[in-house]
Amino acid sequence: GAGVSQSPSNKVTEKGKDVELRCDPISGHTALYWYRQSLGQGLEFLIYFQGNSAPDKSGLPSDRFSAERTGGSVSTLTIQRTQQEDSAVYLCASSLATGLGSPLHFGNGTRLTVT
Amino acid sequence: AQRVTQPEKLLSVFKGAPVELKCNYSYSGSPELFWYVQYSRQRLQLLLRHISRESIKGFTADLNKGETSFHLKKPFAQEEDSAMYYCALRTPGGSEKLVFGKGTKLTVNP
Repeated sequence: GAGVSQSPSNKVTEKGKDVELRCDPISGHTALYWYRQSLGQGLEFLIYFQGNSAPDKSGLPSDRFSAERTGGSVSTLTIQRTQQEDSAVYLCASSLATGLGSPLHFGNGTRLTVT
Repeated sequence: AQRVTQPEKLLSVFKGAPVELKCNYSYSGSPELFWYVQYSRQRLQLLLRHISRESIKGFTADLNKGETSFHLKKPFAQEEDSAMYYCALRTPGGSEKLVFGKGTKLTVNP
């Protein structure tokens, strides 16, 4: 079946505008993760969902960042009042379950550029 | 806090040479450890996990709790192994997030 799908693949926005990034996980995957990938910084954890709830949102950099998940499926990451330092590739991943050995399946990411 | 360290940003070897990508972690218990790989213009994907004790594409990794390491090894590197490699850790019983290292870019030269 299809893998994790993210849209848009590229987004250019002006500083101060809001953006929404979308993630469609693999069907049946209960866990969903958002990461940010920046040059030289590796993968930075943002938030993780189990079903529709977010047990760990400790990685969200500021209150400008928020995420939700509805129907145990699609998730949206919203960045308000974007800043240039928000420029990065935002990766979504899902896994069938949590716990021992469950691997993450990643999407292709959304490349966000804030001008 | 859990931390994963990959000391080499860049690693370059010749085809047929052995390769070792280093990974050290900070966690006092028994973590789950993974290696993920990202080939050029492809998505990040799982390479192997310590719980499976498997060999994938000729790569192996052994968890050394004494040295808190999970180094990735391959005896004879191939050009198609050129990629970005990330070591990752998950702590059982805690948050289900994976903590990643900053990655090592491996280049295998002909």
